[in-house]
Amino acid sequence: DTGVSQDPRHKITKRGQNVTFRCDPISEHNRLYWYRQTLGQGPEFLTYFQNEAQLEKSRLLSDRFSAERPKGSFSTLEIQRTEQGDSAMYLCASSVDPSGGYTFGSGTRLTVV
Amino acid sequence: SQQGEEDPQALSIQEGENATMNCSYKTSINNLQWYRQNSGRGLVHLILIRSNEREKHSGRLRVTLDTSKKSSSLLITASRAADTASYFCATDSGNTPLVFGKGTRLSVIA
Repeated sequence: DTGVSQDPRHKITKRGQNVTFRCDPISEHNRLYWYRQTLGQGPEFLTYFQNEAQLEKSRLLSDRFSAERPKGSFSTLEIQRTEQGDSAMYLCASSVDPSGGYTFGSGTRLTVV
Repeated sequence: SQQGEEDPQALSIQEGENATMNCSYKTSINNLQWYRQNSGRGLVHLILIRSNEREKHSGRLRVTLDTSKKSSSLLITASRAADTASYFCATDSGNTPLVFGKGTRLSVIA
């Protein structure tokens, strides 16, 4: 493993369309996190998994957002009926220790037009 | 919600100078971490300091933690143009995901 991979790097979509992002964490990391970051702000927590179990979801994660981590490996984040306010950088991170450092991917930049 | 608040929001210094960034937080923490983010990229973990530690060093980085004041500082000595980035503090309260501040944008001018 060379790190956390996110795909795609960039996504432009029309308002109302659904989008799905993928994150491949470092294989020995059992924790996986999704964050959202807008320009000039710090990352805001969305949700996280320990293995395949989704342990916490932020209030930011409306019912249009869903995340999965089947088999405790890669994870997907889906946004349904996208809105312009969803435009942001979506960051994925993984960690082996809940109190240790996170390894972040390069992010997926979503633009909703 | 964002737990940490970095200060200043932006900092511009000459190469070779030291850069100091501060972070204040609101609730009790287990650990405090500092991350760097280059424009348009993901975050890179720099250093972690536990709540029972007061100071930690890593290369040109020095981090202090004052839990009585709920604050931390990151010092980068002998700055280089490559240190130009945004710097974020992040805290956890035990078995909880990291909560990040809004960051300090550092510009190091050659």
